[in-house]
This record gives sequence, structure tokens and C-alpha cells, in this order.
Amino acid sequence: QSALTQPASVSGSPGQSITISCTGTSSDVGGYNYVSWYQQHPGKAPKLMIYDVTNRPSGVSNRFSGSKSGNTASLTISGLQAEDEADYYCSSYTSSTTLVFGGGTKLTVL
Amino acid sequence: EVQLLESGGGLVQPGGSLRLSCAASGFTFSSYAMSWVRQAPGKGLEWVSAISGGGGSTYYADSVKGRFTISRDNSKNTLYLQMNSLRAEDTALYYCAKAPAGSSMGRYMDVWGKGTTVTVSS
Repeated sequence: QSALTQPASVSGSPGQSITISCTGTSSDVGGYNYVSWYQQHPGKAPKLMIYDVTNRPSGVSNRFSGSKSGNTASLTISGLQAEDEADYYCSSYTSSTTLVFGGGTKLTVL
Repeated sequence: EVQLLESGGGLVQPGGSLRLSCAASGFTFSSYAMSWVRQAPGKGLEWVSAISGGGGSTYYADSVKGRFTISRDNSKNTLYLQMNSLRAEDTALYYCAKAPAGSSMGRYMDVWGKGTTVTVSS
């Protein structure tokens, strides 16, 4: 199972919006509405930010939103804040009854 | 409060074995699928294995299939990962993670432990 494709890095200024893409295949991202997104600060465990493509867990800011079109899912962060600077990973359920992660995207808040 | 605490990591020689444990608290352990996810130094996340709440169904990444075995003891609220035939590329921080309700393998993880480090080296 190949990893999902994410950009290595994205950046934005405080208050701006950024979008991180996550590209897979029809056997994972495109085949199921089971894409999730995780935020990981240095030295910390991952934190669930979005599940089932568009849903936010309780306690996660509504500045975070998810979407999907075909084999590509996206995470959008609006009103960027310094605390959003972190690594972000997408994940998808697959037709092989496994989970697959993206390679991760480093978000820099300028 | 839901908590997951991993243990059992350490330094092991190539070809050796190690068993990781994850002690769970704050939720009805037997009702939830659980997963192991690892992260090699400076690298991204890699899903390793999952097990259903009752323990009857198990799932593995191709990279560990045949070498790793996931199991659980619901009477002890503990998840395990038996790792055999370890290789240098298995060196990583291993996280235990809880799946949401209603999923036999966990299509995402809503609670994570802090991880335990496994180093495979001679």
C-alpha cells in the first residue's frame, strides 16, 4: 500500500487561509468517505482534527475544515494562528482493510 | 479521562523480539478497536496494525505481516504488540491509539498515547 501524497510544506501569514492536499487512489481516498487529518507538534503525539472527510471532533476549532473531490482530499485552515504551526497528516481507509497515511506536510506560519 | 500508556520499548538486536504493551483507562476498553501506529525518527506516521474490540479480528500492514502479532486482554484493559524478527527499519516511536465506536478496525484514531521507543541495532 503506497503512502498518500501530500505537499512537503506549506506556509501562510497569520489570518490567511491555507489548504493542504492529500492525493490517493480509487482504492483509498476516492473509494471511501473515511479520510482523517491529524496535527502533530514537535515531540508530541498526533491529534485528530478531522474525521470522515468533513467532521470535526469536539474541541477542535471551526477554523479547520475538510473536503474531498475524487481521489484528493483537502484540509483547509482559515484565520491562521501561530499555534497552527505543526506537521499535518492525512489518513484513509483502504480496500485492503488497512489504513494508509500521507507523508506529512509541515505548516509554517510566517 | 481517557488515557493510553505504552511501555515495553527498548534496544534490541536485529532478528530479536520485543513485546509492547498499552494500558488503557477511562473508557470501556472492550468496546473499541485499537491500533498501533509508528513513526521512524524524523519521518512520517505509518499504520502498523489494528484489532477489533473483542479481539476476534486483526489487521496488519504488509511491512509487518508475518512478523508482528497484535492482541489484547480485555480483562486487563491492555493492548499488546508482539514483534519478532525485528529489522533496523522497525526502529521507531510506537503509538497506541483508540478507534471510535462502531468500527471493527478503526477508520481513524481519536485518542493517542505518548508512545514507546523501539531501537533495532547491533
